[in-house]
Amino acid sequence: ILNVEQSPQSLHVQEGDSTNFTCSFPSSNFYALHWYRWETAKSPEALFVMTLNGDEKKKGRISATLNTKEGYSYLYIKGSQPEDSATYLCVSGYSTLTFGKGTMLLVSP
Amino acid sequence: DVKVTQSSRYLVKRTGEKVFLECVQDMDHENMFWYRQDPGLGLRLIYFSYDVKMKEKGDIPEGYSVSREKKERFSLILESASTNQTSMYLCATGQAIEQYFGPGTRLTVT
Repeated sequence: ILNVEQSPQSLHVQEGDSTNFTCSFPSSNFYALHWYRWETAKSPEALFVMTLNGDEKKKGRISATLNTKEGYSYLYIKGSQPEDSATYLCVSGYSTLTFGKGTMLLVSP
Repeated sequence: DVKVTQSSRYLVKRTGEKVFLECVQDMDHENMFWYRQDPGLGLRLIYFSYDVKMKEKGDIPEGYSVSREKKERFSLILESASTNQTSMYLCATGQAIEQYFGPGTRLTVT
């Protein structure tokens, strides 16, 4: 894998559903893996940064895991709410970053 | 909280015009970055700077230049705007591992 790949490209769920996204990244020369949330008309906001294989981070209903050996990370949202609607960006790198294309999440009430 | 501001949210320019996009940060960060975001593509790095008067090319520097005369300000310059530079431009600032983004400037070149 040469680039950061995210799936799915977009997702539409109902309020209360739990959901997860996948990010694949080059496992060689790995430094760090970031997740950002980008709401429309706002700045991308950092959710998590993970550096160690097996890292798990949690912020409220959102959590993320990291597998640096196989080059993937999962982002989980438990009990999605309409305010979770945003594009979620997976990003690899330390100072200069490589961005995935994002997963666009829409949560309907 | 880190604050990153960009001079305009929306900008419309004509082909051939010289365009300045300004970015200001208030956290005394060494590193500043300019990205563009286009539909179906991830953010792509145009230029970055590790210090005053320093600049480094990113992945897509063609058609752009930058200026960093003061630590808090990083300017992106389109010497002669072209329609293929219509895009969303984001500035970011950071120290080591984390980057903080501005709200973006949506530039349309007609």
